[in-house]
Amino acid sequence: AQSVTQLGSHVSVSEGALVLLRCNYSSSVPPYLFWYVQYPNQGLQLLLKYTTGATLVKGINGFEAEFKKSETSFHLTKPSAHMSDAAEYFCAVILGYQKVTFGTGTKLQVIP
Amino acid sequence: DSGVTQTPKHLITATGQRVTLRCSPRSGDLSVYWYQQSLDQGLQFLIQYYNGEERAKGNILERFSAQQFPDLHSELNLSSLELGDSALYFCASSGDGTDEQYFGPGTRLTVT
Repeated sequence: AQSVTQLGSHVSVSEGALVLLRCNYSSSVPPYLFWYVQYPNQGLQLLLKYTTGATLVKGINGFEAEFKKSETSFHLTKPSAHMSDAAEYFCAVILGYQKVTFGTGTKLQVIP
Repeated sequence: DSGVTQTPKHLITATGQRVTLRCSPRSGDLSVYWYQQSLDQGLQFLIQYYNGEERAKGNILERFSAQQFPDLHSELNLSSLELGDSALYFCASSGDGTDEQYFGPGTRLTVT
């Protein structure tokens, strides 16, 4: 069975600092991996995705994530945090035609 | 705007009642997903339909049911409502169920 683990339900960074949100998955075959962002009172929107090919994936708003098969990880990073990045971030995995599995989410706080 | 519409935006009802939430997917998307998001449970996958057929089931209660119609819109029926059913209910759609999902703005259900 596939699963997703997001380490840290809350992460705080200073404005301008590196953002690192962790996601590990378990899957017996290569999964499709996604990061979504949810701003307050809104639905989730896609930040980036990995399906096949290049393991470093660039998304919107300056975010990127690297698929590391050996570490079963798909961590989300951004070199310099902006106040507008404050939101909740969800990692998700899809295996073939099976249901999508979302992580429990990480709330990012950006301190001015 | 994701292209996914949900109605109503807000719903207030009493315990024991039944409600129906409606979702229209993005044009061309065949898959519809339903999620429940609450403060204590986080984002929970409920059920997925693909082109009218149930494809995957998550943590959906027996009091809840869903269907996808020939025009691909979907409805989530919640019956015998309890206080704990108060939550945000999101609908999402995707092309074939293996790619990214587009989320609607959600329906906020309050059970009093």
